[in-house]
Amino acid sequence: AQSVTQLDSQVPVFEEAPVELRCNYSSSVSVYLFWYVQYPNQGLQLLLKYLSGSTLVESINGFEAEFNKSQTSFHLRKPSVHISDTAEYFCAVSDAGFQKLVFGTGTRLLVSP
Amino acid sequence: DARVTQTPRHKVTEMGQEVTMRCQPILGHNTVFWYRQTMMQGLELLAYFRNRAPLDDSGMPKDRFSAEMPDATLATLKIQPSEPRDSAVYFCASGLVPLGPDTQYFGPGTRLTVL
Repeated sequence: AQSVTQLDSQVPVFEEAPVELRCNYSSSVSVYLFWYVQYPNQGLQLLLKYLSGSTLVESINGFEAEFNKSQTSFHLRKPSVHISDTAEYFCAVSDAGFQKLVFGTGTRLLVSP
Repeated sequence: DARVTQTPRHKVTEMGQEVTMRCQPILGHNTVFWYRQTMMQGLELLAYFRNRAPLDDSGMPKDRFSAEMPDATLATLKIQPSEPRDSAVYFCASGLVPLGPDTQYFGPGTRLTVL
């Protein structure tokens, strides 16, 4: 069975500071990894995903995540955050058959001026 | 701009009443997921369908919950009878497989309050 651990339930950070949201997964098979973002009172939106190839994946709004197989991690980073990045971020894993996603418990990113 | 739609967006009901939530997946998507989100449990997968057939509903309380896809454009989640512990935000998501692993597209959710 697959599982995802997001150790930080909340991460406060000042605007323009760098941030890292941690995600570790557990799986006995090849996996695909995703980060979703949820803004207040909205559904989840895909931020970025790792399927194969380059272990570093990027989103259009400056986030990036690196797949590290040896450490079973897929941490999300941004070098300089904006107030508008305030949201909840969910890491998720699916198996190669893509039957379903298993989500972590989420990390609330709070960006203050 | 294709998107998943859900109705109603908000529902307040009394314990014991039947609740039906509806989801219209993105046209052409063949997989539909139902999730429940609460502060305590986070995001839980309740059930999912592929080509209208239920593949997994192990996350759903069988005695009161039921999920169906009457046709390719409509998925329903029903609770009968509802209980206060069912209060949550229910999300529907759709995707397209087995063309390959792909994104799940989420609807805006139905916020259910059971008094």
